[in-house]
Amino acid sequence: DIVMTQSPDSLAVSLGERATINCKSSQTVLYNSNSKNYLAWYQQKPGQPPKLLIYWASTRESGVPDRFSGGGSGTDFTLTISALQAEDVAVYYCQQYFTSFSFGPGTKVHVK
Amino acid sequence: QVQLVQSGAEVKKPGSSVKVSCKASGGTFNTYTISWVRQAPGQGLEWMGRIIPIFRTVDYAQKFQARVTITADESTSTAYMELSSLRPEDTAVYYCARDMGGGNPWWGWFDPWGQGTRVTVSS
Repeated sequence: DIVMTQSPDSLAVSLGERATINCKSSQTVLYNSNSKNYLAWYQQKPGQPPKLLIYWASTRESGVPDRFSGGGSGTDFTLTISALQAEDVAVYYCQQYFTSFSFGPGTKVHVK
Repeated sequence: QVQLVQSGAEVKKPGSSVKVSCKASGGTFNTYTISWVRQAPGQGLEWMGRIIPIFRTVDYAQKFQARVTITADESTSTAYMELSSLRPEDTAVYYCARDMGGGNPWWGWFDPWGQGTRVTVSS
């Protein structure tokens, strides 16, 4: 099974500042034949279901603000919020879909 | 646009079963893959299994293999997740989600998600 880890567990960022979340997989999620990383990012606000932000590690879902960006390859990935807005306070999860599914434990982002 | 609407909250006794429904609208149901994910209070997301109606295929996470049954009724565009032998640690919010896999790619990301169904297991 692929185990996903995230860091930090919690992140305090001032409004307008950059937030960066790290996600690591226990084995590669890069499929060499198509050069795609099988990794997604979700945002979950209290009392709501998760919302897809990014898939294929860096493809932003339609309607997601461009301050959200995903990067990385192989086993190491990042989600960056370029300028934190109040509505971005949430828990963020990474997910691999290379083999079955597994989620990271989540990173809670709040305002400093 | 696909929408998933789940059944309401449930309170169950230990040892009993619960069946949660997930009704889809806004597309062709039998072309979807529907996954089920649960979230215990204050905890993260845990994938339980999925159904690919067009292939009559189900995949289950090993942890739940012995206790979960996922089915689909194409005539009503509804997927179901039944969990048996409930214990207090099964108390959680259960989500269905359209799984963008089931073809190419075989495993995919989840979008959209249902609103969630809270299941409480207590004596």
